[in-house]
Amino acid sequence: AQSVSQHNHHVILSEAASLELGCNYSYGGTVNLFWYVQYPGQHLQLLLKYFSGDPLVKGIKGFEAEFIKSKFSFNLRKPSVQWSDTAEYFCAVSGNTPLVFGKGTRLSVIA
Amino acid sequence: GAGVSQSPSNKVTEKGKDVELRCDPISGHTALYWYRQRLGQGLEFLIYFQGNSAPDKSGLPSDRFSAERTGESVSTLTIQRTQQEDSAVYLCASSLASYRDYNEQFFGPGTRLTVL
Repeated sequence: AQSVSQHNHHVILSEAASLELGCNYSYGGTVNLFWYVQYPGQHLQLLLKYFSGDPLVKGIKGFEAEFIKSKFSFNLRKPSVQWSDTAEYFCAVSGNTPLVFGKGTRLSVIA
Repeated sequence: GAGVSQSPSNKVTEKGKDVELRCDPISGHTALYWYRQRLGQGLEFLIYFQGNSAPDKSGLPSDRFSAERTGESVSTLTIQRTQQEDSAVYLCASSLASYRDYNEQFFGPGTRLTVL
């Protein structure tokens, strides 16, 4: 069965700090990988996705993620966070089933 | 509207009552998904529709849960004899075609269900 692990439950950063959120999955077959974001009071939105090709994927708002097949990882990065990045971030995998989500990482960015 | 809509946005019910949650997908999207998000947990997959049929019901937690879809459009998730552990946010998503064809899922705002 597929599963997704997000290592950090809650991350607190100052503005302009760099961000890396970990995501590991377990599934031996071909996977599609996603990061979704949920801003306070809003619904889930797609941040970026990987289906095939270049393992370094660029998404909206300056976010990027790197698919490392050998490590079963798809970590999310941003060089310099802003207060408006405060949100909950979910990693998700789709292999032989619809999306399997991690438990989410809450990011709080302080001024 | 252009996005996925769900109703009601909030539902408070008493233990043992039945509830119906509705999802209106994006027009033209043939695939529809239901997920559940309990407090402090990730999203759990419940059921997936391709057209009006449900090839994957593997996530439904018990026989108290059922879902249907009509007209390749609206879907209803029904929970019978609700229990307190059913309290969660129920999310609906739709995609242009099957997730197997690398289609992005678009999510609705969710229905927050509270069972007293």
